[in-house]
Amino acid sequence: NAGVTQTPKFQVLKTGQSMTLQCAQDMNHNSMYWYRQDPGMGLRLIYYSASEGTTDKGEVPNGYNVSRLNKREFSLRLESAAPSQTSVYFCASSEAWPGLGQPQHFGDGTRLSIL
Amino acid sequence: KNQVEQSPQSLIILEGKNCTLQCNYTVSPFSNLRWYKQDTGRGPVSLTIMTFSENTKSNGRYTATLDADTKQSSLHITASQLSDSASYICVVMRTNAGKSTFGDGTTLTVKP
Repeated sequence: NAGVTQTPKFQVLKTGQSMTLQCAQDMNHNSMYWYRQDPGMGLRLIYYSASEGTTDKGEVPNGYNVSRLNKREFSLRLESAAPSQTSVYFCASSEAWPGLGQPQHFGDGTRLSIL
Repeated sequence: KNQVEQSPQSLIILEGKNCTLQCNYTVSPFSNLRWYKQDTGRGPVSLTIMTFSENTKSNGRYTATLDADTKQSSLHITASQLSDSASYICVVMRTNAGKSTFGDGTTLTVKP
């Protein structure tokens, strides 16, 4: 049982390049999330998908887009990367929305550096 | 403003010693509070959840407390082990809001 799988684990981009971070979960969870974690700061929500077919903005959505491809997969796209987007990105999933006390299950993150 | 503040920011203790991490919140209306453990290079993993009616809950050597009146929670670690070295994150959820507010975490280092 893999849980939440993120790819790639590491990536270096040049300013202005685009890329897509992939996330897949095998727990049949309905809700999925993308967070960024910067040094010394708490996790901040970028986008979330309460259920298949829906997506909504979180706390820091500017510069990002998302796609809920199916129930298992939720991708995050940077259209034109900027140095301020250098961060560790975490994908998470939970059984239901708004969580109803159930935990979020996190992947191990994608470490993204933008030069 | 809904906020979650954790203290201390970092803590170093010797193996076998106990420690207590604090979480104060202003999130309202309160639904639940969850503690996560995040090992270096890994994603957070849930340790325990506290709801409004719960005062104390244990998970092995971890004991969480909640005082909903003062809006404070603590995580007590007993007989620390080297594997307890990690960041501990407090997360508070508002009723009907569906979104969690994360604290910045406390980094615990356990030394032999």
